[in-house]
Amino acid sequence: AQSVAQPEDQVNVAEGNPLTVKCTYSVSGNPYLFWYVQYPNRGLQFLLKYITGDNLVKGSYGFEAEFNKSQTSFHLKKPSALVSDSALYFCAVRGVSGGYNKLIFGAGTRLAVHP
Amino acid sequence: IAGITQAPTSQILAAGRRMTLRCTQDMRHNAMYWYRQDLGLGLRLIHYSNTAGTTGKGEVPDGYSVSRANTDDFPLTLASAVPSQTSVYFCASSDSASEGNTGELFFGEGSRLTVL
Repeated sequence: AQSVAQPEDQVNVAEGNPLTVKCTYSVSGNPYLFWYVQYPNRGLQFLLKYITGDNLVKGSYGFEAEFNKSQTSFHLKKPSALVSDSALYFCAVRGVSGGYNKLIFGAGTRLAVHP
Repeated sequence: IAGITQAPTSQILAAGRRMTLRCTQDMRHNAMYWYRQDLGLGLRLIHYSNTAGTTGKGEVPDGYSVSRANTDDFPLTLASAVPSQTSVYFCASSDSASEGNTGELFFGEGSRLTVL
């Protein structure tokens, strides 16, 4: 069965410092991986996805993610954090049984960027 | 540009009452989904619909029902609400569910439901 793990409930970063939000996955076959962001009292917004090709994927708002097949990881990164990046971040993997677009989400990681 | 509209945005409900959460999309997406979001559990899929006229069960379907009479609307019904159904509910849509589609979901703003 497909699954996603986000090992950190919260990540604290000072503004201007690089940030990493971790994600590991378990899936049979080639993974389709996603990152979404949720601002307070809002729905989830798509950030980026890995389907195939270059292991470094660039997305919205200066975020990028690195796919590592040997470590089954898909960590979200940003070179220089902004206070406005503070939000809840979800990693997701596409499920492949019964409906290809069923995404399986991790529990989420709250990112707090301090001035 | 609306995308996905959910209603109500917030509701307090007595246990045992029937409740329908409404979801409408204007993107002509074939696939639609209902998720619930609970602290520490992330988002869990309740029901989905790959196309109008068809529905399927997700991870946590018990106590919920859906219908998909047309492309745009995908209501979620709680026939007899229980306190464990207190949650934030998100409707989402995507292009057709197929091997060639990568599956980006578009989400509504959520419906916060409290069952007392």
